[in-house]
Amino acid sequence: DSGVTQTPKHLITATGQRVTLRCSPRSGDLSVYWYQQSLDQGLQFLIQYYNGEERAKGNILERFSAQQFPDLHSELNLSSLELGDSALYFCASSVGSGSFGYTFGSGTRLTVV
Amino acid sequence: GQQLNQSPQSMFIQEGEDVSMNCTSSSIFNTWLWYKQDPGEGPVLLIALYKAGELTSNGRLTAQFGITRKDSFLNISASIPSDVGIYFCAGMNYGGSQGNLIFGKGTKLSVKP
Repeated sequence: DSGVTQTPKHLITATGQRVTLRCSPRSGDLSVYWYQQSLDQGLQFLIQYYNGEERAKGNILERFSAQQFPDLHSELNLSSLELGDSALYFCASSVGSGSFGYTFGSGTRLTVV
Repeated sequence: GQQLNQSPQSMFIQEGEDVSMNCTSSSIFNTWLWYKQDPGEGPVLLIALYKAGELTSNGRLTAQFGITRKDSFLNISASIPSDVGIYFCAGMNYGGSQGNLIFGKGTKLSVKP
């Protein structure tokens, strides 16, 4: 157990729908990062939050959004889902801005049908 | 987006053999990290490198931060079946407010007993 908790573990939904993925960081970690892992693109950085504020944005689509709440958990919202959004979504956390690497959760496998 | 070139893409080796994989980038990083991912799990940090030329070991694993800061390699000595998995290199320029990692596409390692 890495200490980073992601729910749900699996999610199957239809095209056009909206889903919310949840992440609880390790105790004491202030930064949360979201990554998308697909077969052909590898691990792609989506977005980073630090203590409730957005700090960095990567290749995140406009249909996707995220937030970090006062208790430091984070949610990634994916809307108007397309078949190509099927992937593993990982959350990671670190104390600061990742200078010592960060700890990943086990991921949420999203399948869009 | 920015990506690292990681090679080889996959390796099939006999138990007991040594393994070598590397990662190159067109831009410099001030941190290189190596992660391993087992099926159904998130990546787990193996080794972190913070200084050009640095050589660091973690058990049977040895990694080096290239002098040019644009490359890194990972060696695994005397491989065992539990070394099976996907190995990712990642580069980062920490500092300021951002700490997102740029990942290679991974090296899939298979070990024959």
